[in-house]
Amino acid sequence: DVQLLESGGGLVQPGGSLRLSCVASGFTFSSKVMTWVRQAPGKGLEWVSSISGSGDSTYYADSVKGRFTISRDNSKNILSVQMNSLRVDDTAVYYCARGAGYSFGPPHDWGQGTLVTVSS
Amino acid sequence: QSVLTQPPSVSAAPGQKVTISCSGSSSNIGNTYVAWYQQVPGTPPKLLIYDNTERPSGISDRFSGSKSGTLATLGITGLQTGDEADYFCGTWDISLRSLVFGGGTKLTVL
Repeated sequence: DVQLLESGGGLVQPGGSLRLSCVASGFTFSSKVMTWVRQAPGKGLEWVSSISGSGDSTYYADSVKGRFTISRDNSKNILSVQMNSLRVDDTAVYYCARGAGYSFGPPHDWGQGTLVTVSS
Repeated sequence: QSVLTQPPSVSAAPGQKVTISCSGSSSNIGNTYVAWYQQVPGTPPKLLIYDNTERPSGISDRFSGSKSGTLATLGITGLQTGDEADYFCGTWDISLRSLVFGGGTKLTVL
């Protein structure tokens, strides 16, 4: 079975940094596009960033471009996102999600999520 | 404001059928594959439909997906109280080079 386990969430002050990680298992990690999606309390789904299987291609939402950096370690089956210059409106549950294959598109499997709270 | 447009809410009685629409454009729905997700509050989204019409293993055939032009539709038949949830559509936008979602539709089974 596919398993995606996020970690690294917590409380951080505005302007601070946080690194989220997602450990994947149950599939060939390096062959799948991986994605971060977030959901603010009581709101809908917001795409954050996606990365190709090899890690060569990355895409970001305008709201996080220049502040967040997505990366992956295919030797350890770990997806990460480094979040800098955090703002109050970055507060959300962050989900790690697995794509269907090599192409960018809607993810199939989702982790349980990790909560990031940005507050002073 | 979401790139994909969904009705905020729909409702129907148990046993009835309901459809949820997802409207987009030629840069997303019109030329890419659509997925549908079900989300019960406090839990992660669950994939119901992928590639416009396909159901993952384990998803009831009461759920169906269709697409015509820039409009995708999720259908749910034989409504059950357990179907009460938020439903989201999603797809890749070729022009924006972004994953885009609808704003979500809250289903109430009366």
